[in-house]
Amino acid sequence: DAKTTQPNSMESNEEEPVHLPCNHSTISGTDYIHWYRQLPSQGPEYVIHGLTSNVNNRMASLAIAEDRKSSTLILHRATLRDAAVYYCVEYNNAGNMLTFGGGTRLMVKP
Amino acid sequence: DADVTQTPRNRITKTGKRIMLECSQTKGHDRMYWYRQDPGLGLRLIYYSFDVKDINKGEISDGYSVSRQAQAKFSLSLESAIPNQTALYFCATSDSTGGYRGYTFGSGTRLTVV
Repeated sequence: DAKTTQPNSMESNEEEPVHLPCNHSTISGTDYIHWYRQLPSQGPEYVIHGLTSNVNNRMASLAIAEDRKSSTLILHRATLRDAAVYYCVEYNNAGNMLTFGGGTRLMVKP
Repeated sequence: DADVTQTPRNRITKTGKRIMLECSQTKGHDRMYWYRQDPGLGLRLIYYSFDVKDINKGEISDGYSVSRQAQAKFSLSLESAIPNQTALYFCATSDSTGGYRGYTFGSGTRLTVV
């Protein structure tokens, strides 16, 4: 069973910030939170990951709740090219594998 | 050239046929994975390999087998294809840190079993 819970879909306006939520209430203390996105007809693409602290990179920011039971992927200015399915994924450090949930389909309106 | 290359990109096969999907990578990664994606769903792990001599079953390995021919090559076989194996198949790689630098996925193979 998927260990993460995300909204099925979200909508955003172009050039506005987008906050994509994820619940991972059963995450263990050593498991990382990864985010991937999948553009149409492509394989998933790594976006960002974190363990406890908030993280920033050129693509996005990741805000992790203090209790680690939830996180939020932040796209600072959505573009039409950001329309994709975004997956919040637990990385099991012990088994060294990703477990995907259903993802959030992000639609960006011009 | 892509870091992770999957062949073929599309394949239609008949029920009962044996089919092989191939994956090669230029990342120099030790770890390779095969995932399956059904419409509207996330990815599920079929098999994974942490090095050439290591093969492990994932959550949905029944009906599939794999071969790690070299560090750069990892193939997935369907011994006797059935219609419910119609899906999108992805190969992925990671270095030994796996969780630290993320996975790299191929573009997928769309398999249809009729």
